[in-house]
Amino acid sequence: DAGVTQSPTHLIKTRGQHVTLRCSPISGHKSVSWYQQVLGQGPQFIFQYYEKEERGRGNFPDRFSARQFPNYSSELNVNALLLGDSALYLCASSSSPQGPGELFFGEGSRLTVL
Amino acid sequence: DAKTTQPPSMDCAEGRAANLPCNHSTISGNEYVYWYRQIHSQGPQYIIHGLKNNETNEMASLIITEDRKSSTLILPHATLRDTAVYYCIVRVVRNTDKLIFGTGTRLQVFP
Repeated sequence: DAGVTQSPTHLIKTRGQHVTLRCSPISGHKSVSWYQQVLGQGPQFIFQYYEKEERGRGNFPDRFSARQFPNYSSELNVNALLLGDSALYLCASSSSPQGPGELFFGEGSRLTVL
Repeated sequence: DAKTTQPPSMDCAEGRAANLPCNHSTISGNEYVYWYRQIHSQGPQYIIHGLKNNETNEMASLIITEDRKSSTLILPHATLRDTAVYYCIVRVVRNTDKLIFGTGTRLQVFP
């Protein structure tokens, strides 16, 4: 069975550009979360979606947005990129937002902003 | 939201047990303790989780104190492939399902 898949794996953008990152959850998983991991730090929560509805948002500016599609895949969008947005962006999926149980991560999309 | 505190680094000899401590003194009654590890900036890998009772699986054991303010992850027979950053996490499942990561413990297993 395929795990959580993310694309692209690596990308380079310049300041002010826009980026879209994609995530496909494990088959049957309806909850998708996004995390940002800056070098040397632990991942930080950005968004959680369940059944296409936003369930939670971390302390990130409005330049960050996301959505979930009917097939439960998800996109993370970041506008007006800043140098500080350079990070590994991780997607995680779980079968239920109520827990407990495992929450599985993808390998991430590494974004470099120049 | 509850936070966790871990030592920044630890060493362990190959074949010995690695005991990784974690403090989560502000954890709420319905919040779970999760452990993940991350190797070379790959995606975090799930290890184990628990609420109150001790837990064991094929990878590790989790010992949670009775007051739930701290826990210990035990890798019974560490191998070189266990070298990674280990995160002790509180999983908040209320309106939002989110993991609150700390800075983790960098475990170095040496031959």
